[in-house]
Amino acid sequence: DAGVTQSPTHLIKTRGQQVTLRCSPKSGHDTVSWYQQALGQGPQFIFQYYEEEERQRGNFPDRFSGHQFPNYSSELNVNALLLGDSALYLCASSRLHSYNEQFFGPGTRLTVL
Amino acid sequence: KQEVTQIPAALSVPEGENLVLNCSFTDSAIYNLQWFRQDPGKGLTSLLLIQSSQREQTSGRLNASLDKSSGRSTLYIAASQPGDSATYLCAALASGGSYIPTFGRGTSLIVHP
Repeated sequence: DAGVTQSPTHLIKTRGQQVTLRCSPKSGHDTVSWYQQALGQGPQFIFQYYEEEERQRGNFPDRFSGHQFPNYSSELNVNALLLGDSALYLCASSRLHSYNEQFFGPGTRLTVL
Repeated sequence: KQEVTQIPAALSVPEGENLVLNCSFTDSAIYNLQWFRQDPGKGLTSLLLIQSSQREQTSGRLNASLDKSSGRSTLYIAASQPGDSATYLCAALASGGSYIPTFGRGTSLIVHP
């Protein structure tokens, strides 16, 4: 079992650009959640996908959008990048109806210049 | 709104000491509480998950307890080792169907030889 995988590992963009981050969940998991973690902070919940639908959303603007595919993998899209979007983006997978223990990927480090 | 606080923010101890890391949460309506370890610039590794109906969980040198009524969880690390150096985060998962986790900022631990 490869666990949760994320791509790319690192990314550098300029203000105003758009970015797409990808996540493959742990085998057997049906739910994917995305988090933003600024330096020295705990992860902040962005949104969660289950059955290809956005189930829950945190306090993030509409510039942040996502998608879940039939194979449960997911994408996070961020439009009109701001300097403040620079962070570690984490993906976590879980089984919605099984204790919801979350397993995290290694993250994507996004730098916006 | 759930708020999670971790004390202390940082801890530096000599090898061999027994440690206590604290996590407090303001809303006791939680589904579970999960402890994670995070190495610098990396993703989160799940250590222990305690269901709301449980009082504690143990894994090797780690023991986590949960007291919902007082809004507290404690992570005990026995006989600390330099390899335990990392940031330790707790996350409270809301009940009532939302399943949105709230993270603390973490405790940064350094165990020196």
